[in-house]
Amino acid sequence: AQSVTQPDIHITVSEGASLELRCNYSYGATPYLFWYVQSPGQGLQLLLKYFSGDTLVQGIKGFEAEFKRSQSSFNLRKPSVHWSDAAEYFCAVGPSNTGKLIFGQGTTLQVKP
Amino acid sequence: GAVVSQHPSWVICKSGTSVKIECRSLDFQATTMFWYRQFPKQSLMLMATSNEGSKATYEQGVEKDKFLINHASLTLSTLTVTSAHPEDSSFYICSARPGLALTDTQYFGPGTRLTVL
Repeated sequence: AQSVTQPDIHITVSEGASLELRCNYSYGATPYLFWYVQSPGQGLQLLLKYFSGDTLVQGIKGFEAEFKRSQSSFNLRKPSVHWSDAAEYFCAVGPSNTGKLIFGQGTTLQVKP
Repeated sequence: GAVVSQHPSWVICKSGTSVKIECRSLDFQATTMFWYRQFPKQSLMLMATSNEGSKATYEQGVEKDKFLINHASLTLSTLTVTSAHPEDSSFYICSARPGLALTDTQYFGPGTRLTVL
């Protein structure tokens, strides 16, 4: 069955520290992979996506993610977190033949001053 | 950037009434729109996929007669929760995809909070 797992429900980091949010997926074929951020009162915003090619993907707001097929992972990273990064982060997988998205449970990021 | 709006942003209704939620793509035409449901502190669950001018495709376990979806134009899709009950209380989110390519980005609306008393 297709699924996405975000092992960390809640993460707290200090402002300026580095960040890594984990995402593991289970999918039989080559998936399309996404990271979205959800802030209160706003729609989900796409941070980055991976379809093919270079496994290190650069996104908006200084985020990047690396696709590791051998580990079925697509972890999100940022070298220096800002207070405005506090939000809910969702990893999603999209089967290549339908465009539908399957979301992970989400990780809540809290940033300490 | 592409903007998707939802109306209303929140609604409270009595049990047994029907509620309509609108999803609009403001600056692009959306051939496909998706409806999701999100429970507190949980993930988004896809309810249905709708293509303009055709019937929606519902995910397994989603009641078609309970959640009526209409995608009458390239900029508007509506979700009607019929005979709503307290268990239908949730956060409903739509997304819209501008093109036909499966790789086209989905743009999400801000969501609608439904509370059924």
